[in-house]
Amino acid sequence: AQSVTQLGSHVSVSEGALVLLRCNYSSSVPPYLFWYVQYPNQGLQLLLKYTTGATLVKGINGFEAEFKKSETSFHLTKPSAHMSDAAEYFCASTGGKLQFGAGTQVVVTP
Amino acid sequence: DSGVTQTPKHLITATGQRVTLRCSPRSGDLSVYWYQQSLDQGLQFLIHYYNGEERAKGNILERFSAQQFPDLHSELNLSSLELGDSALYFCASSPTFAGADTQYFGPGTRLTVL
Repeated sequence: AQSVTQLGSHVSVSEGALVLLRCNYSSSVPPYLFWYVQYPNQGLQLLLKYTTGATLVKGINGFEAEFKKSETSFHLTKPSAHMSDAAEYFCASTGGKLQFGAGTQVVVTP
Repeated sequence: DSGVTQTPKHLITATGQRVTLRCSPRSGDLSVYWYQQSLDQGLQFLIHYYNGEERAKGNILERFSAQQFPDLHSELNLSSLELGDSALYFCASSPTFAGADTQYFGPGTRLTVL
């Protein structure tokens, strides 16, 4: 069965600094991997996903993630944080049903 | 706006009661998924319907049930409610049941059990 682990439940970044959110997956077969964002009092919105092909995946709002099979990782990055990036971010994997990580709350400081 | 609608937005009820949450998927999507989000359990998959048929079950309690109707909308029924059932309930939809499909989430129903 597949599962994901997000490292760090809270991350604080300065505006303009790199955002790095870590996600490791556990799967016996190559999984499909997703990053979702949840703004306060809203549903989840897809940022990006990896299915097959290119391992560097670009998403919305300047985010990207790299699938690294050797490290079983799918870390999310954004070169320069904006105040509007403050939200909760979820990594998820599926081989059938979507399994979410525990989430990482991102705080952006001026 | 994901195109997935959920009603009601908020629901306050008492222990022991029964409630029904409703979800309308995006136009053309055949799959509907239900999730529960709480502070202690995080985001938990409950159940998946595809074109009217139950396809997968997750951590859904026996007191909870769901169905998907011919027009593809879905309802989640929660009965004999307990304080611990207070949570955000999301539905999501996708075109098929393929693992690579993106799931589009509705805005959620916040259930408070007093």
